[in-house]
Amino acid sequence: GAVVSQHPSWVICKSGTSVKIECRSLDFQATTMFWYRQFPKQSLMLMATSNEGSKATYEQGVEKDKFLINHASLTLSTLTVTSAHPEDSSFYICSASTFSGMRSYNEQFFGPGTRLTVL
Amino acid sequence: RKEVEQDPGPFNVPEGATVAFNCTYSNSASQSFFWYRQDCRKEPKLLMSVYSSGNEDGRFTAQLNRASQYISLLIRDSKLSDSATYLCVVNTNSGAGSYQLTFGKGTKLSVIP
Repeated sequence: GAVVSQHPSWVICKSGTSVKIECRSLDFQATTMFWYRQFPKQSLMLMATSNEGSKATYEQGVEKDKFLINHASLTLSTLTVTSAHPEDSSFYICSASTFSGMRSYNEQFFGPGTRLTVL
Repeated sequence: RKEVEQDPGPFNVPEGATVAFNCTYSNSASQSFFWYRQDCRKEPKLLMSVYSSGNEDGRFTAQLNRASQYISLLIRDSKLSDSATYLCVVNTNSGAGSYQLTFGKGTKLSVIP
């Protein structure tokens, strides 16, 4: 299957710093990338959807000025958590999607996730 | 009402047991349905799609009832390696040809020796 990588896999930072997370599709071109967040014992919550070359679409309640998404190429999307605070500590997972004409949906391939801890 | 609801468990079952998970979804326009498996501190991984006619993959059987907006997963002959959290996932057309996955909180399964 398609492979998606994320970097870093975990990060610990001080409150107030910014953290950038990279999501790469390694063996396919992703038309769309998704960013999710998962708090302990909670479901994955979609934060935003990004298409290459255009602005990301953020879900209700997600601050676009705090969570900056850049999708500059068909294989790379980045999420920057600006001025991170302890409440931003979470498991951030990206997924990448490529249209498959035979399917009625765009299958998503998930990255391994990035665990962010803000002290 | 939550979009995708699951019993959080945990389900603690002995090896070899049969266990069933249920899930309900609220959006009747949802188009496709899946079960994912998530191990602790890992990303979710697709276990199987769910079709209206019901489908089976080895020890795993999934069922979908569109009228009741209900999805199930049956695991037969449980193995220790089946211990994980099982996520019910619904795919909905969010407009302009794009689709969005909505995840349930998951049901935790522990298979005990």
